[in-house]
Amino acid sequence: NAGVTQTPKFQVLKTGQSMTLQCAQDMNHEYMSWYRQDPGMGLRLIHYSVGAGITDQGEVPNGYNVSRSTTEDFPLRLLSAAPSQTSVYFCASSYSGAVRTDTQYFGPGTRLTVL
Amino acid sequence: AQSVTQLGSHVSVSEGALVLLRCNYSSSVPPYLFWYVQYPNQGLQLLLKYTSAATLVKGINGFEAEFKKSETSFHLTKPSAHMSDAAEYFCAVSSTGNQFYFGTGTSLTVIP
Repeated sequence: NAGVTQTPKFQVLKTGQSMTLQCAQDMNHEYMSWYRQDPGMGLRLIHYSVGAGITDQGEVPNGYNVSRSTTEDFPLRLLSAAPSQTSVYFCASSYSGAVRTDTQYFGPGTRLTVL
Repeated sequence: AQSVTQLGSHVSVSEGALVLLRCNYSSSVPPYLFWYVQYPNQGLQLLLKYTSAATLVKGINGFEAEFKKSETSFHLTKPSAHMSDAAEYFCAVSSTGNQFYFGTGTSLTVIP
């Protein structure tokens, strides 16, 4: 049971490039989410999904796209990278988005630098 | 709307001393509150959570937190700090709209 996995661990992009951050979980969790972590700002929710085929915006969605074609995978796409997107990105999953008390399980993170 | 405020971005304690990390919440609905810990270069992991069953919640590694509605607080404590407790700690509240709101974090340093 690998839990939540993220690839790559590190990435450097130039302004304007696009890329996809991968996230997968093997716990059959319905709820998956993406956060960015910036110094002094904690974690902020980018997008989330309560099940395959269903996605919604979080607190800071601009510049990011997501899709959820399977229960296991929840990729995050940066369409045209900007220096303001330099951050550490975490993917998380929980059993059900309908239960406010669910524990979230986090991946190890992707450290992204945009030059 | 829901939010949490963590007072003190950095806390230092001596090994063996009491650990107290503060969290105050704001919520328009009965809150569900969480404490997560992040060790260097790792993801977050759950320490404990308040789900309205009991106001004093015990978590892993000897940590506990008390929900105080009158003070809108959910402070994290541990009677005796250990070197391995050095990490960043996040308080979080869940909303009715499938979203979690995290505080800005408190970095705990344990001095030998």
